[in-house]
Amino acid sequence: EAGVAQSPRYKIIEKRQSVAFWCNPISGHATLYWYQQILGQGPKLLIQFQNNGVVDDSQLPKDRFSAERLKGVDSTLKIQPAKLEDSAVYLCASSPGGARREKLFFGSGTQLSVL
Amino acid sequence: AQKVTQAQTEISVVEKEDVTLDCVYETRDTTYYLFWYKQPPSGELVFLIRRNSFDEQNEISGRYSWNFQKSTSSFNFTITASQVVDSAVYFCALGTLNDYKLSFGAGTTVTVRA
Repeated sequence: EAGVAQSPRYKIIEKRQSVAFWCNPISGHATLYWYQQILGQGPKLLIQFQNNGVVDDSQLPKDRFSAERLKGVDSTLKIQPAKLEDSAVYLCASSPGGARREKLFFGSGTQLSVL
Repeated sequence: AQKVTQAQTEISVVEKEDVTLDCVYETRDTTYYLFWYKQPPSGELVFLIRRNSFDEQNEISGRYSWNFQKSTSSFNFTITASQVVDSAVYFCALGTLNDYKLSFGAGTTVTVRA
């Protein structure tokens, strides 16, 4: 079974530039999550989709971050414009239903460096 | 609000030693779920174990075991007879019925030396 796919693996940009990350979840998984993991910290949820609807985006900095999940399958996360503090690993995860008791399946992440 | 604390930042052991990782959580919900995830150098987090708040039975699964104590809000995780491949960052996480977010601790880096 294919896992959660993410691209690119690494990205280096300068502050104030824009960047986009892509995620393809496990086939059939209804729920998709974007997490931000700053070095030395645990992952922090940015946004959660159930099919193509947003369940929770309370921790998404909406002035610069946006995300969409068209047709309830793959998703893109965009940062515009990027700040130095956005340097982190962006992890995508999926789960079959979305209940808090479910285990999550994670991709390998995109490591973003903002210079 | 939910909170997970992993007080140990780094643990270094020699192969075949046992490793115990501490996790303390805070929640006002009566129904919640506790998880341990492993993050190897490749980056993806891998699910290890899950416990429900209403089931305090402690179990062993292969070289992994866990000790869930509601009275002290702790959910400790033990790797028995550690191996070099166990070297990774281990995260404790908490999910509740009333909060969609899965809250992660800061992680404990485990290094197993040959």
